[in-house]
Amino acid sequence: GIQVEQSPPDLILQEGANSTLRCNFSDSVNNLQWFHQNPWGQLINLFYIPSGTKQNGRLSATTVATERYSLLYISSSQTTDSGVYFCAVIALDSGAGSYQLTFGKGTKLSVIP
Amino acid sequence: DAGVIQSPRHEVTEMGQEVTLRCKPISGHNSLFWYRQTMMRGLELLIYFNNNVPIDDSGMPEDRFSAKMPNASFSTLKIQPSEPRDSAVYFCASSPRMGGNTEAFFGQGTRLTVV
Repeated sequence: GIQVEQSPPDLILQEGANSTLRCNFSDSVNNLQWFHQNPWGQLINLFYIPSGTKQNGRLSATTVATERYSLLYISSSQTTDSGVYFCAVIALDSGAGSYQLTFGKGTKLSVIP
Repeated sequence: DAGVIQSPRHEVTEMGQEVTLRCKPISGHNSLFWYRQTMMRGLELLIYFNNNVPIDDSGMPEDRFSAKMPNASFSTLKIQPSEPRDSAVYFCASSPRMGGNTEAFFGQGTRLTVV
């Protein structure tokens, strides 16, 4: 199946700093999503981004499908940004004959005041 | 829309007992997914349904696990008998349709502890 790798695994930021999270995937994908898992465990949709660039407030994401990677930018980080950021790709699993949403292992972000 | 609704939010049970987790997908969504999250293995797809029909259950760990979707607005994941290694957070997600160009939305999860 497709492999999804995220980096860095852990990140500590001072409040107000900027950061870039990366997601690499091993094969062609139909779609890509970024999620934020907050400290209460809730998975929150950030971006649905098969290609191109999208922005939502202090967050933006870019996916370059031809080069098999996506980036999540967080600017002017706040303590409420803390949590785990997941990248998930949707790709056809030829073995199963169905589309699968496969997650990376996440980047754990801690923003300190 | 209230989003994907899961119940219970927390479940503590004794080893050997039957556990049933419930999920109500977003109205109008045709695809439903069950995931399990553990520290060791991260988020794993267990099974998914399209139009109430199981499409891929290759992620179901063993016969103790079963899932049903009797109608478009309800699904269950059952573990019988439960074991301590089943302790995890179980998520349900739904999307408008099966296929590549679709966005999935997750419920708040059920934290299962088997003692």
